[in-house]
Amino acid sequence: QSVLTQPPSASGTPGQRVTISCSGSSSNIESNYVYWYQQLPGTAPKVLIYSNNQRPSGVPDRFSGSKSGTSASLAISGLQSEDEAEYSCAAWDDSLNGVVFGGGTKLTVL
Amino acid sequence: QITLKESGPTLVKPTQTLTLTCTFSGFSLTTRGVGVGWIRQPPGKALEWLTVIYWNDDKRYRQSLKSRVTITKDTSKNQVVLTMTNMNPVDTATYYCAHSHLWEPFDYWGQGTLVTVSS
Repeated sequence: QSVLTQPPSASGTPGQRVTISCSGSSSNIESNYVYWYQQLPGTAPKVLIYSNNQRPSGVPDRFSGSKSGTSASLAISGLQSEDEAEYSCAAWDDSLNGVVFGGGTKLTVL
Repeated sequence: QITLKESGPTLVKPTQTLTLTCTFSGFSLTTRGVGVGWIRQPPGKALEWLTVIYWNDDKRYRQSLKSRVTITKDTSKNQVVLTMTNMNPVDTATYYCAHSHLWEPFDYWGQGTLVTVSS
């Protein structure tokens, strides 16, 4: 059971906008930065969003992050077939004194 | 350019001790605020944080594994070592090392190494 809660699956058609939620608590999401990762099969996680809403260079601006209270969201606009992947959120947890991850959301592009 | 790479055995027997080495470049583990940690991912399952060590030798461990896991650093070699004792088949996973900043998740990851625990 992951500390951060994500829906196990999400889907959309090409060109659509999809959002993936990440629910936590006052000790993690509310008080610390949220990161979002994209993981293609057989590869290491890649940072899509850091510090709640910042994109590393090279990440398309179709990807955006937001945070409100104890929840965070990743939005993907203009969905493309290559966006089909597993997406995970993460944050530092002040109570657990470590990094906590979401269970991951498998995004399918129909 | 920050890179990290894990190395170590791909197969360990139950009850044995696992030792993995993370060799990194593009940053220094003597720089204030910098950390290197270990994360694992069992096949088909979620990412699970294990431990992190910071520039000042501050260490944090996953509570459920604290008695089995040790992290150390060798700044002269740009390496971080993970030791996990009493390995069990449920510890079969891809193990990643990654770079972080103080009290934040990880921004640069190694490619990962699959460790199988089996007799």
